[in-house]
Amino acid sequence: QQQVKQSPQSLIVQKGGISIINCAYENTAFDYFPWYQQFPGKGPALLIAIRPDVSEKKEGRFTISFNKSAKQFSLHIMDSQPGDSATYFCAASSVETSGSRLTFGEGTQLTVNP
Amino acid sequence: NAGVMQNPRHLVRRRGQEARLRCSPMKGHSHVYWYRQLPEEGLKFMVYLQKENIIDESGMPKERFSAEFPKEGPSILRIQQVVRGDSAAYFCATLAGNQETQYFGPGTRLLVL
Repeated sequence: QQQVKQSPQSLIVQKGGISIINCAYENTAFDYFPWYQQFPGKGPALLIAIRPDVSEKKEGRFTISFNKSAKQFSLHIMDSQPGDSATYFCAASSVETSGSRLTFGEGTQLTVNP
Repeated sequence: NAGVMQNPRHLVRRRGQEARLRCSPMKGHSHVYWYRQLPEEGLKFMVYLQKENIIDESGMPKERFSAEFPKEGPSILRIQQVVRGDSAAYFCATLAGNQETQYFGPGTRLLVL
């Protein structure tokens, strides 16, 4: 009920390509869905987040698509750059039922080749 | 990272010793979450504290682990009698004003020999 499943586990794209990472959740009480970027040896950094009342949110080269009926959401990175090479985590939380604690996906290691 | 500080950044302990990890959110931030990241895995929630209170400790192992967030000073995650399986990165996070967004510190990497 609390799981968030993320795929793929690893992803290799060429510079300029589109990176797509997918997540699925089970708990319908989740109402906040952030994506975090983590570089080796660093803490997770918030990239972009969405609430289920919108189907898409775009910030620069990063877009979240959200499908409430399918309980799925995805991160698209347009014009991927070598500097985007990092591990990406999706997450979900609910203020009402779980005090905003985050349930994370397993992570996707993205490599962007020059 | 909203000024979340953690120390030490790296900690080496031998089996059976105690580990104390500290987290200092920005002044005025009174919510702290602790997460553990095992090698090659995602982050797992451990405990949620507000000043002087434990709100949710459902992710904490029942034995050897404890957490506090006193009125003055940093939040402390304490691991007694460490074992090799405790080797991991431990992150704390603070809650933004919208009560949803969490900002993470740089983490403490614990290595148990």
